[in-house]
Amino acid sequence: GEDVEQSLFLSVREGDSSVINCTYTDSSSTYLYWYKQEPGAGLQLLTYIFSNMDMKQDQRLTVLLNKKDKHLSLRIADTQTGDSAIYFCAEKGGSYIPTFGRGTSLIVHP
Amino acid sequence: NAGVTQTPKFQVLKTGQSMTLQCAQDMNHEYMSWYRQDPGMGLRLIHYSVGAGITDQGEVPNGYNVSRSTTEDFPLRLLSAAPSQTSVYFCASSSTGTGNTEAFFGQGTRLTVV
Repeated sequence: GEDVEQSLFLSVREGDSSVINCTYTDSSSTYLYWYKQEPGAGLQLLTYIFSNMDMKQDQRLTVLLNKKDKHLSLRIADTQTGDSAIYFCAEKGGSYIPTFGRGTSLIVHP
Repeated sequence: NAGVTQTPKFQVLKTGQSMTLQCAQDMNHEYMSWYRQDPGMGLRLIHYSVGAGITDQGEVPNGYNVSRSTTEDFPLRLLSAAPSQTSVYFCASSSTGTGNTEAFFGQGTRLTVV
C-alpha cells in the first residue's frame, strides 16, 4: 500500500532555516500536504502543492516537490520558537483517503 | 463555525471499562476517520468511513468499533479498555472529491487507561 516516510526529529537554532523532508510511494498522488500540530492541539493544514507544480512559496514557507523521486520538502525560513511543532506530510492520490506520515518534531532552540 | 468537535477532551478509564468517544462535523463531509497518536509512532489510522452506513478498518482496528448512522457523527467505541489503548485520539473529516480536499481535525481526546 501507499507509504509516507519522514524523519522523527529536527533541531534548529532560532533564525536558521528548517528543512523537513518527506518521501512517498504512491505515483498517482495528486495533492501533497503539510500539516502542523502545535502542543495539545489537533492538526491544521499549513500548505499544499498540486502534483503538476515543483515549487510553492507562501511567506516564510517554501514547498519543493520532486515528483520523479517522490520527494517533498518544507522549508521554513528564519525559524522562530513559535514554529516548534510536529509537522506531518500527507498525500492524496487515486484513493480519496489521505495517507499521513508519522510526523517530524521540529525543536527550535535559542 | 464548529468544524470537527470531539468529546470528551480528557478521560480516565479502568481496565475493562467501555466508553464511546464522540465525533461530530458540520461540513457535510463524506469521509471521516479516527486516528491514535502515540509518541514516536505518529498518526495511526484506526477506522474510517466514506459515508453513512459504510465503515472500514484502518491500520490498528483491534479493540475498537465504529458506526456511521448519520453523515455528521462517527463515534468510536472502546469495548473493554486496556492500558495499551492509552493514547491521544483524533477524529478527522474531509470531502471525497478528486480535487484538493483538506482534512479537518478535532482537538483530540486524551485517554488514560489504568
